[in-house]
Amino acid sequence: KNQVEQSPQSLIILEGKNCTLQCNYTVSPFSNLRWYKQDTGRGPVSLTIMTFSENTKSNGRYTATLDADTKQSSLHITASQLSDSASYICVVTYGGATNKLIFGTGTLLAVQP
Amino acid sequence: DGGITQSPKYLFRKEGQNVTLSCEQNLNHDAMYWYRQDPGQGLRLIYYSQIVNDFQKGDIAEGYSVSREKKESFPLTVTSAQKNPTAFYLCASRGQGRKDQPQHFGDGTRLSIL
Repeated sequence: KNQVEQSPQSLIILEGKNCTLQCNYTVSPFSNLRWYKQDTGRGPVSLTIMTFSENTKSNGRYTATLDADTKQSSLHITASQLSDSASYICVVTYGGATNKLIFGTGTLLAVQP
Repeated sequence: DGGITQSPKYLFRKEGQNVTLSCEQNLNHDAMYWYRQDPGQGLRLIYYSQIVNDFQKGDIAEGYSVSREKKESFPLTVTSAQKNPTAFYLCASRGQGRKDQPQHFGDGTRLSIL
């Protein structure tokens, strides 16, 4: 069964600290994995995309990693800010030409002052 | 600025009533999508359209209908047949160029039952 699982479900950290969010997937065939940030009451916004051949990619304070062998990805947030408080959603594209998407349930991050 | 506009932001539906959610984009994207977001669940695809005058059912199409008469517009109707319509509805669009183009999302419509 095609699945995307994210952990933890929720996370509280202090401003300025780092954190890492996890995404495990079981899909076939894999095309790419994207991390989205969704602020409360808003639509998701793409942070980064990882393809099969990429191990790590950064976007400012966000760094995503991908291990295609273990089918795991992580999103590392450095020096967190209050504005990082949001839900982070892992989305995997699979199915080759059919280009199907499967969404994780998200990790809700709260950054406290 | 280019983007996707969903309206209204909040919508209330009475029992037995159909309601229509609006989605407009000025990104010149061919593909448009409707998703439903419920607490504790990932986004689920309701309908999608790859081109004007054509659309396909997603994973949870029952109780919903769509039209795609214009490239810019992809309205979603929640019919009375949808017994559990309370949810956050997200519209998205995507360009057809590069394979790794992301879906761009609107800011959603929250639908509640009176």
